Amino acid sequence: EVQLVESGGGLVQPGGSLRLSCVVSGFTFSDHYMDWVRQAPGEGLEWVGRIRNKAKSYTTEYAASVGGRFTISRDDSKNSLYLQMNSLKTEDTAVYYCARGHSYGYSNWLFDYWGQGTLVTVSS
Amino acid sequence: DIQMTQSPSTLSASVGDRVTITCRASQIIYTWLAWYQQKPGKAPKLLIYKASNLESGVPSRFSGSGSGTEFTLTISSLQPDDFTTYYCQQYSTYPLTFGGGTRVDIK
Repeated sequence: EVQLVESGGGLVQPGGSLRLSCVVSGFTFSDHYMDWVRQAPGEGLEWVGRIRNKAKSYTTEYAASVGGRFTISRDDSKNSLYLQMNSLKTEDTAVYYCARGHSYGYSNWLFDYWGQGTLVTVSS
Repeated sequence: DIQMTQSPSTLSASVGDRVTITCRASQIIYTWLAWYQQKPGKAPKLLIYKASNLESGVPSRFSGSGSGTEFTLTISSLQPDDFTTYYCQQYSTYPLTFGGGTRVDIK
């Protein structure tokens, strides 16, 4: 059974930092791209960023809203994905989901499995 | 960035109704489109990938169509479990972007 479990959310002051983790099981983590997607309270979904697999040199992509402040990394030996969030703003308040990338054999990757999410609240 | 526009934003329907949700992309995305269902307090669930491919385990009453810039999600006979929110998402170009969502509620 595919499982993704996020942790590390909480309350942080504006300008602060937080590191989210996502531990996965039930699939070969190293084969997959991995993503972070967030959802502000009562709002829609916003893609945060992606890290590709080893075959694609672990390259990353980010949304403009978080570029330069957020960093995605992974440790394939620990089946773990990370999101380092620096210089946090009140508008970063959201539930953060990790999601598994999947290509279905095509060139482009989407998300097929999601974790349950972890809430990040940025407030003074 | 590619803007994804869903319509309607809210849809009122009854059990057994056929409902259609539309998603328009601001640029051509070929068939790189997915549909997700999200229930309150839960993570989104993938329904359709590459515009018209049904994800494994998803009921056949869900179907997707379209290419280029115009896409639809159809639920052929609405069931009680289907009254929730649906999102389209393009994965043609970075940044990946979602539509604003369509809430399907009970008439």
